[in-house]
Amino acid sequence: EVQLVQSGAEVKKPGESLKISCKGSGYSFTSYWIGWVRQMPGKGLEWMGIIYPGDSDTRYSPSFQGQVTISADKSISTAYLQWSSLKASDTAMYYCARRTDGGATRYWGQGTLVTVSS
Amino acid sequence: QPVLTQSSSASASLGSSVKLTCTLSSGHSSYIIAWHQQQPGKAPRYLMKLEGSGSYNKGSGVPDRFSGSSSGADRYLTISNLQSEDEADYYCETWDSNTRVVFGGGTKLTVL
Repeated sequence: EVQLVQSGAEVKKPGESLKISCKGSGYSFTSYWIGWVRQMPGKGLEWMGIIYPGDSDTRYSPSFQGQVTISADKSISTAYLQWSSLKASDTAMYYCARRTDGGATRYWGQGTLVTVSS
Repeated sequence: QPVLTQSSSASASLGSSVKLTCTLSSGHSSYIIAWHQQQPGKAPRYLMKLEGSGSYNKGSGVPDRFSGSSSGADRYLTISNLQSEDEADYYCETWDSNTRVVFGGGTKLTVL
């Protein structure tokens, strides 16, 4: 069974750094793209970027380029999303999501709530 | 890059059927899409992949009440015999490659 298990909720102050994780299991972690999706409170889904753990090829949505860093450690089947300096506007639920060979987001993580407040 | 347009809300009565629409932008009418359901307070859930031909492939465990169809640039999700648990937000998704993905704005479905 394919599973994506994300790290727990975080409460941070503006300017702090953060790295959240997404551990894949039940499939070959290096063979499928994993993306990150933001959902701000009461809003829709926004595609942030994606990584291919096999070779760490990473692409970003123009809206998120330079704002976050996506990485992966294939030795522990885990993808990451990180910020170097959080803003209040980064407060949102973040989902990791695995794609299929032919496209489409097929599997979702349970979400990580990030709250940034002074 | 394609753009997906969805109505912001829809409503239908318990036990009835509803058809949700996702429209692809000009020049992208042949694109494949996926439908996802997000129940209140939960993560999204993959429902199906839907081609321009109307052929669709559902995820495991998705009830038979959910079906897909297509006409031109429109992609539809039909839910029959509506249940209370179908009250959710429904998002369509498409992609320009495995690395350029876009979601529609979502439709909030209310079951009366």
